[in-house]
Amino acid sequence: DSGVTQTPKHLITATGQRVTLRCSPRSGDLSVYWYQQSLDQGLQFLIHYYNGEERAKGNILERFSAQQFPDLHSELNLSSLELGDSALYFCASSERGSLNTEAFFGQGTRLTVV
Amino acid sequence: DAKTTQPNSMESNEEEPVHLPCNHSTISGTDYIHWYRQLPSQGPEYVIHGLTSNVNNRMASLAIAEDRKSSTLILHRATLRDAAVYYCILRVSNNAGNMLTFGGGTRLMVKP
Repeated sequence: DSGVTQTPKHLITATGQRVTLRCSPRSGDLSVYWYQQSLDQGLQFLIHYYNGEERAKGNILERFSAQQFPDLHSELNLSSLELGDSALYFCASSERGSLNTEAFFGQGTRLTVV
Repeated sequence: DAKTTQPNSMESNEEEPVHLPCNHSTISGTDYIHWYRQLPSQGPEYVIHGLTSNVNNRMASLAIAEDRKSSTLILHRATLRDAAVYYCILRVSNNAGNMLTFGGGTRLMVKP
C-alpha cells in the first residue's frame, strides 16, 4: 500500500459527460502529480500541483482541469468526454517534488467512456 | 528532457539475478536516475534512485557507470512477483515540475 488513495477505482460513463477523479496523497506529501495511461500511449504526465499551486502542465487537454485543495487532496475534472479518454488515470504524491525524492502512486482510476 | 534507452523486453529464470540496463548518454550533472516498476494492473512503484554512487535498498541495487551515461538495475534473485515493466527515468533539474517522464520501459518476464 503506497498510502495514496484514488477514488473511484472504476468509472463507466457516456460520451459528452463530465467526471471527477479524486486523489488523497500520502500524509505530509505536498506534491501531487496526475498521469494518464492508455494502451497506445504509455504513461503520460498531465499536471503537477505543489502545496495548492500548479507547478507544471504536460499534455493535458483543455477539457481537463485539476486543482489541489488546502487539505492537499486533488481532483482531476474531465469534461465533454470522448471515447479516446478511456484510460487509467494515476495520481502520485511526493514529499517535496524535488529531484531527490521518490514518488508514490495510487492504484489508479479506470475510466471507460462508452 | 534527457532521454533514456532501455531494451523492450528481457527474460529471466526464477531465483537468478537480473541486470536491467539503461542508457542515458545526455544526462547532466544534476540529473537523478530513478527506477520504477509497474506490475500488471497496478500503479507504478518506486524501486530505487541515485545520483553518482551505487545504491542498495531492500528491493534492488543500482549500479551507475563512472561517466553516468548508463546505469543498471540489479535484482539479486528474481521471483515471479518481479515480472513487471521496469522504467528508467531521469529526473532533470531544468524541469519546472520535476515530474517523472516515463518512456517505454523494459518488460521483464520471469520463468519458473
